[in-house]
Amino acid sequence: DIQMTQSPSSLSASVGDRVTITCRASQSISSYLNWYQQKPGKAPKLLIYAASSLQSGVPSRFSGSGSGTDFTLTISSLQPEDFATYYCQQSYSTPIFTFGPGTKVDIK
Amino acid sequence: EVQLVQSGAEVKKPGESLKISCKGSGYSFTSYWIGWVRQMPGKGLEWMGIIYPGDSDTRYSPSFQGQVTISADKSISTAYLQWSSLKASDTAMYYCARLIKSLWGYYYYMDVWGKGTTVTVSS
Repeated sequence: DIQMTQSPSSLSASVGDRVTITCRASQSISSYLNWYQQKPGKAPKLLIYAASSLQSGVPSRFSGSGSGTDFTLTISSLQPEDFATYYCQQSYSTPIFTFGPGTKVDIK
Repeated sequence: EVQLVQSGAEVKKPGESLKISCKGSGYSFTSYWIGWVRQMPGKGLEWMGIIYPGDSDTRYSPSFQGQVTISADKSISTAYLQWSSLKASDTAMYYCARLIKSLWGYYYYMDVWGKGTTVTVSS
């Protein structure tokens, strides 16, 4: 099975900060990597698919990069509504699309 | 509007059975996989399995194989997740989501999510 890890597990940041979250796969997954945002009490929301494709309607301050085993989600200028938990997910190993453990972004 | 509407919260006792639902609308329900995701209290997202309502092809994560049953009734655009004998450890939020393939390549992702069904199992 493909295992996903994320770092950091949590971070504190201020509005306007540039934030980077890292996701690592236990084996190469090419670009089969998605990112989701989840706010407390809400369902996850798709941000990025195929490692770097921005989902329709998602602000352009969100971007994704990477391939192989190492990926990053970047928020170029953190906004108040961005405080949430972020999950990566691999979609390489059909039909088991494992999630990472999550990174919680909260207010400094 | 594409929507997945999940059934309401459930409170059950250990050993009881349960079936929760996820009704799709606004799109061709039979043409997309539906996935189920578990989130235990205060924890992360766990992939449970998927079903293709068009032909009921079903795949499970090894962690959930034999523990739950995923099914669908395409005549009413509804997918189900069921337990025959609940345990306290099944207490969680359960989400369904549509699994879509990109127009280019074979990139799958979950683009539409239900709001979740809370299942509480307690004696």
